[in-house]
Parts: sequence; C-alpha cells; structure tokens
Amino acid sequence: GQNIDQPTEMTATEGAIVQINCTYQTSGFNGLFWYQQHAGEAPTFLSYNVLDGLEEKGRFSSFLSRSKGYSYLLLKELQMKDSASYLCAVRAGEGGSTLGRLYFGRGTQLTVWP
Amino acid sequence: GAGVSQSPSNKVTEKGKDVELRCDPISGHTALYWYRQSLGQGLEFLIYFQGNSAPDKSGLPSDRFSAERTGGSVSTLTIQRTQQEDSAVYLCASSGDRGRYEQYFGPGTRLTVT
Repeated sequence: GQNIDQPTEMTATEGAIVQINCTYQTSGFNGLFWYQQHAGEAPTFLSYNVLDGLEEKGRFSSFLSRSKGYSYLLLKELQMKDSASYLCAVRAGEGGSTLGRLYFGRGTQLTVWP
Repeated sequence: GAGVSQSPSNKVTEKGKDVELRCDPISGHTALYWYRQSLGQGLEFLIYFQGNSAPDKSGLPSDRFSAERTGGSVSTLTIQRTQQEDSAVYLCASSGDRGRYEQYFGPGTRLTVT
C-alpha cells in the first residue's frame, strides 16, 4: 500500500520561514507534488519533484530525497495569505505505467500570525 | 483557457435518493480523477480514468458509487441510495499527457444528504 505522513498543524509568524515535512512509503514512485488548499476552495498545484534535490520557485521551494522517502516544502517570507492546508501527494504508477494516480496525505494546516 | 468545471456546485438530497455529479475536464486532458473530501479531512481517491484504458475503480467505497466518462471528456459520478455518510465535497481533477502531469482541480460539488 501507500502511506503518506505529514504534520497535522503548524503555526508561524508573518515574514518567517516554515518547513513542512512529508514522508512516504510507496511502490512505483513516479513523482511528488505539493498542493495548497485554502478553506472552501479546491487544491492548487504548487510544486513537483521527481529527481532528488531542491526545486525553487519564488518564495516556495520543495525538496525530495527518494532514498529516504522524504520531501519538504519550504515557504519563505510568510504572508497572511499563506494560511492554508498544504497537501503532499505521491504519484505511484503500477505495472510500468508512466502516469498513475496520486496518493494524498491528510494535509498540514498552516496558520500565519501577524 | 477554461479550467475544470463541476456541476452542481451544491446539492442537497434526501437519504435514499440517487444523485449525479458532473465534471467537465480541461479540453485535451486525457486523465480524469474523482475525489471526495469530508470536512477537515484529506482527499479520498474514488476513481481514475486514463484515456481508453479501463478505469481504476479501487477507491469507490461501495457498489452504490459508479462513474462513467463519455467520449473521453465529460464524466458523471453517480451515487445511488444516498446515505448521510456520503455528505462531502466531491472534487474532480484532470491532467494532461505530457510534462509533469499535474492535476488541475475543479471547484467541487458540496453534497449534503439529509
């Protein structure tokens, strides 16, 4: 089976840096995604990693270590609007599929305080 | 271009009635997914369509749930004999067949079974 773990809640202050960790155990790993979901809204894509290392995009960065089954999402210069749930998702293809479905973690609710 | 659309946005139904939820994916996207999300919970995978392949129905919680995708585009999720525990937000997502294959989510249908 597939198992995705991430903290349930985190808090931080405006302007700070926060790191949201995600660990996974999957077979047929085919990429890791981070999504942001504001309350009452649909998830929106943030980042994608398929190779080890750091991917940087503006204030957001995502890191992947496939050997450790570990990823993190780093948010810099936090703003109030960053208060949301952050979902870690692993794509696992079976039977040699290059696509496959996503397995989502339960999400980390981030609250940014002024 | 247009994103993923879903209808209705809200649906209130009586226990025991059947409901149909509709999803229009992004034009040209070959993969379509259905998820449901209960209040404060993560995304629960339901079903996944990829091109002309047989759908992955492994997430459907019971035989009261079914889905079809006509002409490789629009999809309908049907819940028969609805139960109160079916109350949730039902999210549809689609993805293309190149690049990162990230999923784009629709706004969801909020289903309330009374």
